[in-house]
Amino acid sequence: KAGVTQTPRYLIKTRGQQVTLSCSPISGHRSVSWYQQTPGQGLQFLFEYFSETQRNKGNFPGRFSGRQFSNSRSEMNVSTLELGDSALYLCASSLEGAVSGNTIYFGEGSWLTVV
Amino acid sequence: SQQGEEDPQALSIQEGENATMNCSYKTSINNLQWYRQNSGRGLVHLILIRSNEREKHSGRLRVTLDTSKKSSSLLITASRAADTASYFCATDPGTGTASKLTFGTGTRLQVTL
Repeated sequence: KAGVTQTPRYLIKTRGQQVTLSCSPISGHRSVSWYQQTPGQGLQFLFEYFSETQRNKGNFPGRFSGRQFSNSRSEMNVSTLELGDSALYLCASSLEGAVSGNTIYFGEGSWLTVV
Repeated sequence: SQQGEEDPQALSIQEGENATMNCSYKTSINNLQWYRQNSGRGLVHLILIRSNEREKHSGRLRVTLDTSKKSSSLLITASRAADTASYFCATDPGTGTASKLTFGTGTRLQVTL
């Protein structure tokens, strides 16, 4: 059974640009969440999608957005990049989400560097 | 914001020794999960313990949960160099509908030969 797949693994962007990250969850999982990890703030919840609907959102500015497709694959987008957006972005997959007490599986992450 | 803290922040032991990490959290929970993260990599799920469980084992891992003290511990027995990583506890929201995990600050474990 394939795990959670995130692409790209590494990318470098310039301030002001936008970026799109992709996540393919484990087959059969309908919940996809995104987390940002930085040395200063640790692991922070961005948002969760379930059956193509955003179900929860963390405390991030509107520049951070996402979506989920009918096959449960998800993308997140960050517009007008700032230096502080440099981070490891982790995608998490589960059957029905953390609220249901499911095991949450993570991908290898996408390393974003903003210069 | 972090749910709580992990203690110690860093731990250095020799191969074969046991490693114990502690996690404290602030609000009621349904479940607590432990993860391992190797440098620059994603999170690997280790074990999930439910709020009505007090102890759980998986191979060399032993997790305890004390909901009255809002704390959990992860014990790795007979540690190996390959156990070198950061370890995080993560709690679900308990009550409410916010379907997210809240992570502790993590413990960096170094196992030397």
